[in-house]
Amino acid sequence: AQSVTQLDSHVSVSEGTPVLLRCNYSSSYSPSLFWYVQHPNKGLQLLLKYTSAATLVKGINGFEAEFKKSETSFHLTKPSAHMSDAAEYFCVVLYNTDKLIFGTGTRLQVFP
Amino acid sequence: GAGVSQSPSNKVTEKGKDVELRCDPISGHTALYWYRQSLGQGLEFLIYFQGNSAPDKSGLPSDRFSAERTGGSVSTLTIQRTQQEDSAVYLCASSLGGELQFFGPGTRLTVL
Repeated sequence: AQSVTQLDSHVSVSEGTPVLLRCNYSSSYSPSLFWYVQHPNKGLQLLLKYTSAATLVKGINGFEAEFKKSETSFHLTKPSAHMSDAAEYFCVVLYNTDKLIFGTGTRLQVFP
Repeated sequence: GAGVSQSPSNKVTEKGKDVELRCDPISGHTALYWYRQSLGQGLEFLIYFQGNSAPDKSGLPSDRFSAERTGGSVSTLTIQRTQQEDSAVYLCASSLGGELQFFGPGTRLTVL
């Protein structure tokens, strides 16, 4: 069965410093993985997706994620946080070709 | 508009009343999903429609929950005899049947 675990419920960083949001997955086969972002009072937006074409995936707004099979991880990173990055981030795995299984989310706070 | 729309954006109801939540998917999308996002939790899959196939209802939490999709487009999620634990944000998503789902802004349901 597929599942994802987001290791931190909250992450706080200062503006201009790197962001690391951690995600580990469990899958019986090569998974499709995603990161979604949810800004306050807004819908979910796809940041990036991994579908085995390349292990380092670049997304929108300067975010990227690296798929590491040996560590069953798909951590989300950004070199320099911006105030507008403050949001809830969800790591997601595709199940059974058409269902998404969401992690419990990581709330990112960015301080000036 | 071009995106997934949901109505109402907010719904406050009294315990025991029935509610209907509406989702208008992106035109041409054959797949439609309903999720529930409770406070402090990730997104929980509820139900999935794909074309003319029988819906996948495996995520519905009780028989008080039902959904229909008319004409392969608009969907209505109905919750009968609402309970306080039904309070959550209900999200709808649509896709072309693959892995990329586009989410609506959600309906925030509050059961008093």
